Amino acid sequence: GAGVSQSPSNKVTEKGKDVELRCDPISGHTALYWYRQSLGQGLEFLIYFQGNSAPDKSGLPSDRFSAERTGGSVSTLTIQRTQQEDSAVYLCASSLVPSGTEHGGYTFGSGTRLTVV
Amino acid sequence: QQQVKQSPQSLIVQKGGISIINCAYENTAFDYFPWYQQFPGKGPALLIAIRPDVSEKKEGRFTISFNKSAKQFSLHIMDSQPGDSATYFCAASMRGSYIPTFGRGTSLIVHP
Repeated sequence: GAGVSQSPSNKVTEKGKDVELRCDPISGHTALYWYRQSLGQGLEFLIYFQGNSAPDKSGLPSDRFSAERTGGSVSTLTIQRTQQEDSAVYLCASSLVPSGTEHGGYTFGSGTRLTVV
Repeated sequence: QQQVKQSPQSLIVQKGGISIINCAYENTAFDYFPWYQQFPGKGPALLIAIRPDVSEKKEGRFTISFNKSAKQFSLHIMDSQPGDSATYFCAASMRGSYIPTFGRGTSLIVHP
């Protein structure tokens, strides 16, 4: 597609339930990132995928969070046993070059707004 | 620890005025400094970027000023318009590191 696609755009879930968030990056972009943006806050790095290399999971806040990227394309971020503090907008970004330093930088999706009630 | 400090947190400007957002960094290894613009309900989008070999870059009404010795860079929006109302993030990256450091963002409101 022309841009980074994320689904769902909004998700309301009950505390304790598991959720899956999906990201479909721009075709040909080998680097894929997940960020979290809480209300009025900056961008919190979660995880990074580059090609077939092992992902950098250093930003995941707890072991309830995991992500995978199948076939070097679509990525899924899973949050198990959701808590109210997980409520935020989850943004996916892809780039042609790691760190987005060339060729137009990062392209972000519109995000998934997660609300845990 | 790598940090990028962004100020102000919020900014209100009248239409036609100049909006100025500042960022300061610590790590002299940073070599790429982009600004991202985010509208409500959308993801951030690259607005303009600069490398430290130049002191200024201009694209239309948007200008980045870069002061290498002070480790500071700023975004200037000339003739600010209501359509510029958005959240602006500065960031800093370096070769060999694939995780840029973002500022905390500035909420800009331009009154008509």
